[in-house]
Amino acid sequence: GAVVSQHPSRVICKSGTSVKIECRSLDFQATTMFWYRQFPKQSLMLMATSNEGSKATYEQGVEKDKFLINHASLTLSTLTVTSAHPEDSSFYICSARDFGGGNEQFFGPGTRLTVL
Amino acid sequence: AQSVTQPDIHITVSEGASLELRCNYSYGATPYLFWYVQSPGQGLQLLLKYFSGDTLVQGIKGFEAEFKRSQSSFNLRKPSVHWSDAAEYFCAVGGTGGGNKLTFGTGTQLKVEL
Repeated sequence: GAVVSQHPSRVICKSGTSVKIECRSLDFQATTMFWYRQFPKQSLMLMATSNEGSKATYEQGVEKDKFLINHASLTLSTLTVTSAHPEDSSFYICSARDFGGGNEQFFGPGTRLTVL
Repeated sequence: AQSVTQPDIHITVSEGASLELRCNYSYGATPYLFWYVQSPGQGLQLLLKYFSGDTLVQGIKGFEAEFKRSQSSFNLRKPSVHWSDAAEYFCAVGGTGGGNKLTFGTGTQLKVEL
């Protein structure tokens, strides 16, 4: 149980285009989902926390208009990178917390974004 | 603010040897502590977690960790390393506040020599 999926696993896009990444909890309901960014050989940096049905809470330094997060249902959150540029190239990982409570986050497999 | 320090960026051990990865944390209350493993290009897999109770925690793949409040540490150990254990290991701290946000350490890259 507690499986989180991400789609796509890899995406390559041209500079200036927008890219949407989906994060789904497959076998549980997630009231809270988290989006992280990981640069090569570095740690995970939390970008934002999203709660179902409400606006996401962004970490300091993360551009809200650049990284649009939508958590429309208890099993789906999306991250849209708008007007992507090469510096947005990174590994994006989502995680989800079970609706039933608890403090464990279940992580997706990640999405590798490359902006040309 | 919560923080995690993993002092060892790289560690190399021989297969069959014992392993200890260090983790020190800073947190204002009783922390929730986690160890995750990440293979190249993959997401994170939870090895073990500490919420409360017994300070020696058993995890998957033969890993264990010990919570030492007096030292603010949560070191990960394995008695005999296998070549398949080569990966990046992350320690993380979280709590009930702040929406259960996790703060990760910078990671330790484990290399296993055959």
